[in-house]
Amino acid sequence: AQTVTQSQPEMSVQEAETVTLSCTYDTSESDYYLFWYKQPPSRQMILVIRQEAYKQQNATENRFSVNFQKAAKSFSLKISDSQLGDAAMYFCAYSRSNDYKLSFGAGTTVTVRA
Amino acid sequence: GAGVSQSPSNKVTEKGKDVELRCDPISGHTALYWYRQSLGQGLEFLIYFQGNSAPDKSGLPSDRFSAERTGGSVSTLTIQRTQQEDSAVYLCASRFTGVDASYEQYFGPGTRLTVT
Repeated sequence: AQTVTQSQPEMSVQEAETVTLSCTYDTSESDYYLFWYKQPPSRQMILVIRQEAYKQQNATENRFSVNFQKAAKSFSLKISDSQLGDAAMYFCAYSRSNDYKLSFGAGTTVTVRA
Repeated sequence: GAGVSQSPSNKVTEKGKDVELRCDPISGHTALYWYRQSLGQGLEFLIYFQGNSAPDKSGLPSDRFSAERTGGSVSTLTIQRTQQEDSAVYLCASRFTGVDASYEQYFGPGTRLTVT
């Protein structure tokens, strides 16, 4: 079974600053995907960024970037120039590349201070 | 276009009653997933439908839980004889699996179930 671990229950960041969220995972698969999802109080899960395991280059989406360390099974998310709208729960997730069933971490609550 | 919709948004039921939760996926999305989000267990996979294939029920926590998908579109998750530990937000997601299939799952807003 795949497990995803987020060791930071809460993180706080000043507006315009940078925050990094940690995620580690465990798998015996060689082909898989990793994701970061954002869940604001509305409960709507929003895909922030994804990484294919076969790609060495770290994914980037505007102010969001990841540091994917395949050998260490680590997948951290960096939010640059934090904005008030970034405040939410962030989930790290794993899926195999066949059925895409998601395994989620426990989540990290991000608070942005004005 | 329309996203994934779920109904009801909130449901309060008494212990022992049966409940049905509905999910309308995005049109054309043949893959459909149910997840449960609870304080104690976090976010967990429940069941996966892909086209006409037999569903993957490996995440269902007990035989009180069942789901069906009619006509390859709408899905209903049924919980029989509800227990307090069933209280959670039930999320549905759909994914496009045709030509240029996508990895991305689109989530609905969820149904918050409270068992009293």
